[in-house]
Amino acid sequence: EVQLVASGGGLVQPGGSLRLSCAVSGFTVNSNYMIWVRQAPRKGLEWVAVIYSDGSTYYGDSVKGRFTVSRHNLQNTVYLQMSGLRSEDTAVYFCARVDMSSLMDVWGQGTTVIVSS
Amino acid sequence: DIVVTQSPDSLAVSLGERATISCRSSQSVLHSSNNKNYLAWYQQKPGQPPKLLIYWASTRASGIPDRFSGSASGTDFTLTISSLQAEDVAIYYCQQYFTPWTFGRGTKVEIK
Repeated sequence: EVQLVASGGGLVQPGGSLRLSCAVSGFTVNSNYMIWVRQAPRKGLEWVAVIYSDGSTYYGDSVKGRFTVSRHNLQNTVYLQMSGLRSEDTAVYFCARVDMSSLMDVWGQGTTVIVSS
Repeated sequence: DIVVTQSPDSLAVSLGERATISCRSSQSVLHSSNNKNYLAWYQQKPGQPPKLLIYWASTRASGIPDRFSGSASGTDFTLTISSLQAEDVAIYYCQQYFTPWTFGRGTKVEIK
């Protein structure tokens, strides 16, 4: 069964750091594209970071230079390292699988990040 | 970036009646290599992640009931729920995955 389980969210002060994890079962992260998408309170969905099967990474404009996406093949887990956090980064963060046509076909439950003093 | 505009913001429909949601992309999401529209529809219920309903603008994802259908005309797209059921109460999002990814603001569907 395909399953994605996100964790690592919490309360962090502005300027702080946090690392999110997305543990995957049912497929291998290094053979697929994996993406992080966030949903701010009462706002829409925004893609944050993607890591392709060849290891290349891309970021949304709002997080470029502050967030880093990576993966651990043996643990079959994808990470999102977030630094320089701002109040506008407060959101539920989802991880999802992206197929070869760029379609987000399977999503995990989200993990909540709150940036506040 | 391609802007995706959804309407209406909310919709109240009686059980068994038709619900129609519209979505417009600011530019074509039709890929010339395969003649497919890179447009998807997702359903999101409270406390849950989005769930894929429709891709390629009109192809139902696995396990999705046939009361859900999608259509396309140029840069205009429509999601139709032919006979609304209680379990269809949710927020529906359209998304273009042509380049890179952008979502509509969502349409909240409720029971009248």
